Amino acid sequence: DIQMTQSPSSLSASVGDRVTITCRASQGINNDLAWYQQRPGKVPKLLIYAASTLQSGVPSRFSGSGSGTDFTLTISSLRPEDVATYYCQKYGSAPITFGQGTRLEIK
Amino acid sequence: QVQLQESGPGLVKPSETLSLTCSVSGYSITSDHYWAWIRQPPGKGLEWIGSIFHSWSTYSNPSLKSRITMSLDTSRNQFSLELNSVTAADTAVYYCAKTAQGTIRRYYFDDWGQGTLVTVSS
Repeated sequence: DIQMTQSPSSLSASVGDRVTITCRASQGINNDLAWYQQRPGKVPKLLIYAASTLQSGVPSRFSGSGSGTDFTLTISSLRPEDVATYYCQKYGSAPITFGQGTRLEIK
Repeated sequence: QVQLQESGPGLVKPSETLSLTCSVSGYSITSDHYWAWIRQPPGKGLEWIGSIFHSWSTYSNPSLKSRITMSLDTSRNQFSLELNSVTAADTAVYYCAKTAQGTIRRYYFDDWGQGTLVTVSS
């Protein structure tokens, strides 16, 4: 099975900062990668699919990049409402797997 | 606007069977999407359980495959999950979700239910 590893596991940043989260696949997955945001106590929300396509309604400060094994989620200017845990998810072949999550906090 | 709502017992005894139903409104479960189950143990990450298509085609997590049964009720626009021989490790919030399209190449989850906590305890 293909494993997804996120880094860092947690990070703290200031409002307005540029934040980058990384997701690495143990084998190439083309661009079959999605990113989710899960605010505390809430349901996961799809942010990005196909590695870089923004889901409808998601703010443009979120962006994704990468292909193959290495992917990044970037928040261009951190806002307080971005406090959440972020998960990557690989698809394209079974089984579906999620990264372990990255917890993002505000300094 | 699709809405998904999980229902089922919040407490299940060890060794028994966990049964959940997801009621779908605003969308037909016979449409071109997979209907999925995902769980999240308290304080932990997301784990994909499996999914079913209206043709009854399924994908399942290999680690759970021997214990799960998924089904559809098209007359009620619902789909269901059964997980047998549960242990405390199966305690989690269980989500139902819809994939973007009925192909593994678009197998990401664009709509989710609110989730239901199932505790396994005697």
